[in-house]
Amino acid sequence: QVQLQQWGAGLLKPSETLSLTCAVYGGSFSGYYWSWIRQPPGKGLEWIGEINHSGSTNYNPSLKSRVTISVDTSKNQFSLKLSSVTAADTAVYYCARGGGECSGGSCYQEYFQHWGQGTLVTVSS
Amino acid sequence: DIQMTQSPSTLSASVGDRVTITCRASQSISSWLAWYQQKPGKAPKLLIYKASSLESGVPSRFSGSGSGTEFTLTISSLQPDDFATYYCQQYNSGTWTFGQGTKVEIK
Repeated sequence: QVQLQQWGAGLLKPSETLSLTCAVYGGSFSGYYWSWIRQPPGKGLEWIGEINHSGSTNYNPSLKSRVTISVDTSKNQFSLKLSSVTAADTAVYYCARGGGECSGGSCYQEYFQHWGQGTLVTVSS
Repeated sequence: DIQMTQSPSTLSASVGDRVTITCRASQSISSWLAWYQQKPGKAPKLLIYKASSLESGVPSRFSGSGSGTEFTLTISSLQPDDFATYYCQQYNSGTWTFGQGTKVEIK
């Protein structure tokens, strides 16, 4: 049973850096891609970026200049940092594990199979 | 960027109704499409992947079809637990984008 538990600061001021961490319990950590996805209040979902166990990253081009995703394989955790936040970054942020075809011990990320509980991050002065 | 457009945005239906939601991609995505169900205050839940494969544990009243640019999610007989918002999601060349959502409401 794979479980993702996330945490981080919920209230930020404009220009500050958002920081969230997601811990993975159960299942394998290596061999999968791990993503961050956000959802502004009352709106749809936006993929932010992904990382694998070896630290290879891929970011949404619209956020790439402000996003850093990192991994700590010793703790089965991965983290999100988003710099220079504005009110437009107010959203529920989710961590997720990718699902897809697996080959040679690694799985592609075609969809998002397991999700964290979500963290509401509000940016307000 | 590949844009995903869902229709309708809102759907009013009754328990027992057959419900169909459409998702269109701005360019061909083969069968790289997933569907999710989201209830208020909860994370999305994967229902369908690769356009038509049912995720383990998901009731068989949910089904998906389509390829290329047009896809559908069908609920064969709507149950009280199915009133929620549904999202499609595409995967193509290292990017993932979602539709804007379809809210299924009680009629």
